[in-house]
Amino acid sequence: SQQGEEDPQALSIQEGENATMNCSYKTSINNLQWYRQNSGRGLVHLILIRSNEREKHSGRLRVTLDTSKKSSSLLITASRAADTASYFCATGIQGAQKLVFGQGTRLTINP
Amino acid sequence: GAVVSQHPSWVICKSGTSVKIECRSLDFQATTMFWYRQFPKQSLMLMATSNEGSKATYEQGVEKDKFLINHASLTLSTLTVTSAHPEDSSFYICSAPIGQGTRNTEAFFGQGTRLTVV
Repeated sequence: SQQGEEDPQALSIQEGENATMNCSYKTSINNLQWYRQNSGRGLVHLILIRSNEREKHSGRLRVTLDTSKKSSSLLITASRAADTASYFCATGIQGAQKLVFGQGTRLTINP
Repeated sequence: GAVVSQHPSWVICKSGTSVKIECRSLDFQATTMFWYRQFPKQSLMLMATSNEGSKATYEQGVEKDKFLINHASLTLSTLTVTSAHPEDSSFYICSAPIGQGTRNTEAFFGQGTRLTVV
């Protein structure tokens, strides 16, 4: 079963604007990861945040994690047309290596 | 960087036939791999955990006799969809965690296989 939900399901913004996506989950986790998927392709790992971390940066990406609220957010700053893709959060469940994915956010960056 | 290769990228088969999908780790050994299924515009649903040298672990609701998994070597896992039917048409993706045996590790994904059963 799906671990969590993502919000919004779809997001359309202008190039240069910031995009924020949220993810909620249900069970205890080792880590939370964000992945990107271009249409009909495999997934590309973006960033991993451990359960004892609260914020992490990677280039134009900023991820936060609030374990008390069981939620995470992904911020993409200064968006580009090439950022158009689906973004998924995935939780690493305690005691296991497997990942459970959220519903995903379809992000469209308009030039 | 670590690469996971999945083959074929797409396949069309007749109803009742079986289809084999391969997932290879190209520059690292993977004792554990995962198989996911994705319907259009939906998320990835974990089907099973493939374990090298032992039986796969299937998620609840996944028919193990329908989706046969073999992980005979440290770099290859295969998923065979047996007696395929149109409802099996989907996008199948494999993944392997780069840090085998550790919990906080990213996963590398294959390119996916688009299966269409006619």
